Amino acid sequence: KQEVTQIPAALSVPEGENLVLNCSFTDSAIYNLQWFRQDPGKGLTSLLLIQSSQREQTSGRLNASLDKSSGRSTLYIAASQPGDSATYLCAPDGGKLIFGQGTELSVKP
Amino acid sequence: NAGVTQTPKFQVLKTGQSMTLQCAQDMNHEYMSWYRQDPGMGLRLIHYSVGAGITDQGEVPNGYNVSRSTTEDFPLRLLSAAPSQTSVYFCASSYSEDYGYTFGSGTRLTVV
Repeated sequence: KQEVTQIPAALSVPEGENLVLNCSFTDSAIYNLQWFRQDPGKGLTSLLLIQSSQREQTSGRLNASLDKSSGRSTLYIAASQPGDSATYLCAPDGGKLIFGQGTELSVKP
Repeated sequence: NAGVTQTPKFQVLKTGQSMTLQCAQDMNHEYMSWYRQDPGMGLRLIHYSVGAGITDQGEVPNGYNVSRSTTEDFPLRLLSAAPSQTSVYFCASSYSEDYGYTFGSGTRLTVV
């Protein structure tokens, strides 16, 4: 059974800092891993999709890496902004998309 | 494309009532899933489907039924609602395991 852990559970930082959010998963037999963003009371927005054969993906200030063999992924946010405040969720897909509990990020002006 | 459309957005039910949460996608996605999201529990998979006529149970299937008669639609049925089913429900779809999932905007269900 896939289990996903995200660390830290919550993070509060001043604007401009570079951030690293961590995700670990127990079953490395995955097709891909997806990172999402969720704003309070809203749905999930896909940020990045990393295929199992890839090591990383980049979109703007976001960079996600994947080490399938060790069951780890990280999301790097460069030069954080108040608009980045949200909950970030990782979800490995081994035939079913299974979620961690997320990292709640608050970026202070 | 409208993406993944969930209806209704809000619903209040009495204990024991039945209802169907609708999910439709217009992207010709084969894979569809239902999740519930509860405070402190994260998103948990209820049921999923890899194509028309094929469904399977997720982590928390009890109290819910699904069917997949068409590629576009994946309704979630609550046969006898219970207060423990108060939650936010999300539907998601994907073209295949090589593609990411797209989520609907959710249905907020309260059972009193």
